Amino acid sequence: DAKTTQPTSMDCAEGRAANLPCNHSTISGNEYVYWYRQIHSQGPQYIIHGLKNNETNEMASLIITEDRKSSTLILPHATLRDTAVYYCIVRVFSGYSTLTFGKGTMLLVSP
Amino acid sequence: NAGVTQTPKFRILKIGQSMTLQCAQDMNHNYMYWYRQDPGMGLKLIYYSVGAGITDKGEVPNGYNVSRSTTEDFPLRLELAAPSQTSVYFCASSSLLAGANTGELFFGEGSRLTVL
Repeated sequence: DAKTTQPTSMDCAEGRAANLPCNHSTISGNEYVYWYRQIHSQGPQYIIHGLKNNETNEMASLIITEDRKSSTLILPHATLRDTAVYYCIVRVFSGYSTLTFGKGTMLLVSP
Repeated sequence: NAGVTQTPKFRILKIGQSMTLQCAQDMNHNYMYWYRQDPGMGLKLIYYSVGAGITDKGEVPNGYNVSRSTTEDFPLRLELAAPSQTSVYFCASSSLLAGANTGELFFGEGSRLTVL
């Protein structure tokens, strides 16, 4: 699986959009980009994933660059409950998911 | 559905003691996993299973054992507890079914283990 690089921490004001970047310059053509988040002391929670097209669901949007070497997770209207560690993971879409979690980005949403 | 259930939530062990962390899922998922998370770090895969009777090692399997006798249960065994095994342990599961498999992992709430 390709390696990812994320900023250690980010701040965002409540109600504003949170844009979390991820670099995955060595991504292969059959590797997907996954985003998970972990709210303090809880198990990680799946957010969204994509291959090359931009994706949106009820939680967030995922923007993947045309060359697929980087992506951005967008939380359109961040709330205090979005304060968490966000993990960007790149992996081949296969039956089982031995995901490799790095240290992620600590997003702090402030009033 | 309860999802993925882990017990116990907290446990303190003495060095050399043994214990089993229990994990059960009610989503009929074929795949199950055990991760550990040390303070300030990401998750590391200990063991995983692709179905009943089939298990395989992950990144950090030493000091642990697993079994998978049923689809629902995937217990993690610590035989001789050591301080280095102080961590938070997460169990997870995912689906095999075509069309239902987004690659999403469903995690339990974690089991906090302290070895003194």
